[in-house]
Amino acid sequence: EAGVAQSPRYKIIEKRQSVAFWCNPISGHATLYWYQQILGQGPKLLIQFQNNGVVDDSQLPKDRFSAERLKGVDSTLKIQPAKLEDSAVYLCASSSNREVYRDRTLNTEAFFGQGTRLTVV
Amino acid sequence: AQSVTQLDSHVSVSEGTPVLLRCNYSSSYSPSLFWYVQHPNKGLQLLLKYTSAATLVKGINGFEAEFKKSETSFHLTKPSAHMSDAAEYFCVVSGGQAGTALIFGKGTTLSVSS
Repeated sequence: EAGVAQSPRYKIIEKRQSVAFWCNPISGHATLYWYQQILGQGPKLLIQFQNNGVVDDSQLPKDRFSAERLKGVDSTLKIQPAKLEDSAVYLCASSSNREVYRDRTLNTEAFFGQGTRLTVV
Repeated sequence: AQSVTQLDSHVSVSEGTPVLLRCNYSSSYSPSLFWYVQHPNKGLQLLLKYTSAATLVKGINGFEAEFKKSETSFHLTKPSAHMSDAAEYFCVVSGGQAGTALIFGKGTTLSVSS
């Protein structure tokens, strides 16, 4: 089974420029997440999709960040304009959410891509 | 709302001694809980998960964790540390119901000395 694919692996841009990241989740996974991981910290959820609809984007800085998941498969995350504090690793993850226990469909584990390391100078 | 607290930012052990990484959670629902490991310059890998079945969960590489609802804890243990266990470990909670987000703790750095 192929894993979660992300590109590019590394990106260096100047502040105020724009950048886009791409993610291809595991085939058949309905849930897709974008996380931001600043050096030395745990991943912070930016946005969660269920198929092509947004479930949670409460921590997405909407004045500069945007994300879409067309046709419920691939996703792109964009930053425009970038700030110095956006330097981080951007992680994409996907989940099938198909484990059932006592008539409840449970939140199963997420599978993570290698991430995109963004440096804003 | 869900949250998770990893009680130690850094744990140091000697090779061959037991490992204990502590995690407490808060959840409005019956939670799903996970431990992930992140080696330097590598992706996040699932160690083990709890999703409402057995409270003692066994994972890869000899790790296990016990879900204790009364203590709202999900501590990670291993009887004997190996040098290759040195990494960053994250405790993760979700609301348990499909579609709720996975919320990460701040991480615990495990160092293993020979």
